[in-house]
Amino acid sequence: AQKITQTQPGMFVQEKEAVTLDCTYDTSDPSYGLFWYKQPSSGEMIFLIYQGSYDQQNATEGRYSLNFQKARKSANLVISASQLGDSAMYFCAMREATSGTYKYIFGTGTRLKVLA
Amino acid sequence: DGGITQSPKYLFRKEGQNVTLSCEQNLNHDAMYWYRQDPGQGLRLIYYSQIVNDFQKGDIAEGYSVSREKKESFPLTVTSAQKNPTAFYLCASRPRGGRDDEQFFGPGTRLTVL
Repeated sequence: AQKITQTQPGMFVQEKEAVTLDCTYDTSDPSYGLFWYKQPSSGEMIFLIYQGSYDQQNATEGRYSLNFQKARKSANLVISASQLGDSAMYFCAMREATSGTYKYIFGTGTRLKVLA
Repeated sequence: DGGITQSPKYLFRKEGQNVTLSCEQNLNHDAMYWYRQDPGQGLRLIYYSQIVNDFQKGDIAEGYSVSREKKESFPLTVTSAQKNPTAFYLCASRPRGGRDDEQFFGPGTRLTVL
């Protein structure tokens, strides 16, 4: 069965430093997509970054980059130059395609706290 | 402005009552999804719909029902059969052939059953 694992329930990082949030996945589907979302205390889900299984290069979006290691089935999120506003829950998710329909599986999340 | 709206933001109901959560999108997206989130947990899929008048059960469909009579609307009914309905409910949509298969989320409804 497809699965997403986030092993870090909580992380602290000093403001302006970089932080890596871990995500591993398991799937037998050769075509899949990996996502990271940010959820602040308000509850909204904010899309951060996407990596396709066939993408040759690691995805980057501003201060966010995705360290994609396909053989290890890991898709870690790297946030550079952390800001106080980065404090939130972060979820890794995977898109699976079954019989032409798209479903998404989410990990349990990592709560990031940025310290001033 | 295009987007997904969920109403109300907070909802209180007595135990044993059915309640319907609204989800509307004006993004012309084909697929819509309902998720449940419990405190400190990830999102779990309740129901999803790829097209009007068609929907499929997700991982935790028991005690819930949906309809998809219009492309823009995907209401979720939490029935009295749902044993522990207090949770945060998120609706999402996805366009056909969208950029990177990204889902777009509504702001969520926090349901509390007293």
